[in-house]
Amino acid sequence: DAGITQSPRHKVTETGTPVTLRCHQTENHRYMYWYRQDPGHGLRLIHYSYGVKDTDKGEVSDGYSVSRSKTEDFLLTLESATSSQTSVYFCAISESTQPGTSITYEQYFGPGTRLTVT
Amino acid sequence: RKEVEQDPGPFNVPEGATVAFNCTYSNSASQSFFWYRQDCRKEPKLLMSVYSSGNEDGRFTAQLNRASQYISLLIRDSKLSDSATYLCVVNSNNFNKFYFGSGTKLNVKP
Repeated sequence: DAGITQSPRHKVTETGTPVTLRCHQTENHRYMYWYRQDPGHGLRLIHYSYGVKDTDKGEVSDGYSVSRSKTEDFLLTLESATSSQTSVYFCAISESTQPGTSITYEQYFGPGTRLTVT
Repeated sequence: RKEVEQDPGPFNVPEGATVAFNCTYSNSASQSFFWYRQDCRKEPKLLMSVYSSGNEDGRFTAQLNRASQYISLLIRDSKLSDSATYLCVVNSNNFNKFYFGSGTKLNVKP
């Protein structure tokens, strides 16, 4: 299994409080991602990083910010948590490989964080 | 139209059966294709990358049809432990362009 950990694994928080989720990898992969998974929506990209201090928005970035100060750590912050942010959050990592004539990216996921905002 | 579409199932099959899932994608520029397995309340895990020539890993066979823009996963001799949700993922060879299907649920019964 890829060396990816997420913390905390479970969290219950109140509306309006800030929350930070941490993703830590030991694979030295360049690319890191935060997704949320909700019933009926599948996995949706929140933010991603393509290097230290290099981040960009995904399709559902409103209300979230990220930071990557080291290759191994990618933090996701909910500035002021809302009930609509109750979800399961997955971190993923990726690196480019070239198994044949073209480059490909395989993603590996962390164990997830279950966040409940009351 | 969704980038990637899958039949949500569930597919209910007896042990030992052969079952096939299809996944269609809309972007003809897509280059990389994957099948992931996700168990209940767990993270998605990479099952197979799908290559142009098709590939096999034990009881699992993946095929790609670029002309019709679909990929398939065939599971032979189904085991109880194969029960899970199978996600189809498509990438256009950009590190930030992964498109996920909503998953197909498989239940293998004794």
